[in-house]
Amino acid sequence: DSGVTQTPKHLITATGQRVTLRCSPRSGDLSVYWYQQSLDQGLQFLIQYYNGEERAKGNILERFSAQQFPDLHSELNLSSLELGDSALYFCASSVRTEPTYEQYFGPGTRLTVT
Amino acid sequence: AQSVTQLGSHVSVSEGALVLLRCNYSSSVPPYLFWYVQYPNQGLQLLLKYTSAATLVKGINGFEAEFKKSETSFHLTKPSAHMSDAAEYFCAVTSQGGYQKVTFGTGTKLQVIP
Repeated sequence: DSGVTQTPKHLITATGQRVTLRCSPRSGDLSVYWYQQSLDQGLQFLIQYYNGEERAKGNILERFSAQQFPDLHSELNLSSLELGDSALYFCASSVRTEPTYEQYFGPGTRLTVT
Repeated sequence: AQSVTQLGSHVSVSEGALVLLRCNYSSSVPPYLFWYVQYPNQGLQLLLKYTSAATLVKGINGFEAEFKKSETSFHLTKPSAHMSDAAEYFCAVTSQGGYQKVTFGTGTKLQVIP
């Protein structure tokens, strides 16, 4: 158990819909990262937050957005869903942003768009 | 720009045999390199990381990797495979700029044959 929690574990929804994925980082970790893992694209970095502020964007679509709240939990919002958005979405957290600090990954949310 | 190439999407070894998973990187700046393991239906777990200290890095579960700048390689090894090592392994690279620039390899699934 990494200490990072993600809800829900599974999500099935239809095209065009909007969903919200939730992540609670490890206690004390200020940085949260979102990743997408799909068969087509592999594992890709989406976005990073540090202490409530967006720090970096990766390959995140404009239909996707995220935020980190004052209690440090984070939500990833996916809208106008397409079949290709079906993937595992991971959240990770670390104390700080430097690579010398280990990232801890949550168990993921499996999103299926039908 | 940075990239990672993992040679062999599937590797099979006999229990007790040497495990060798190959990773070559490309980076225009000094890299930080990581190996992660992913067990079925779980998130990624850090095995080990290279952050410009010792070139031979020891990780958890008996794994180690050697950073070879001349060969731009960071291969993962374990002297004796256990059944519990069966999983998918990801090599990743980032720069000192932080995790937001992390690039993952396509993964290698390790099968351990009894």
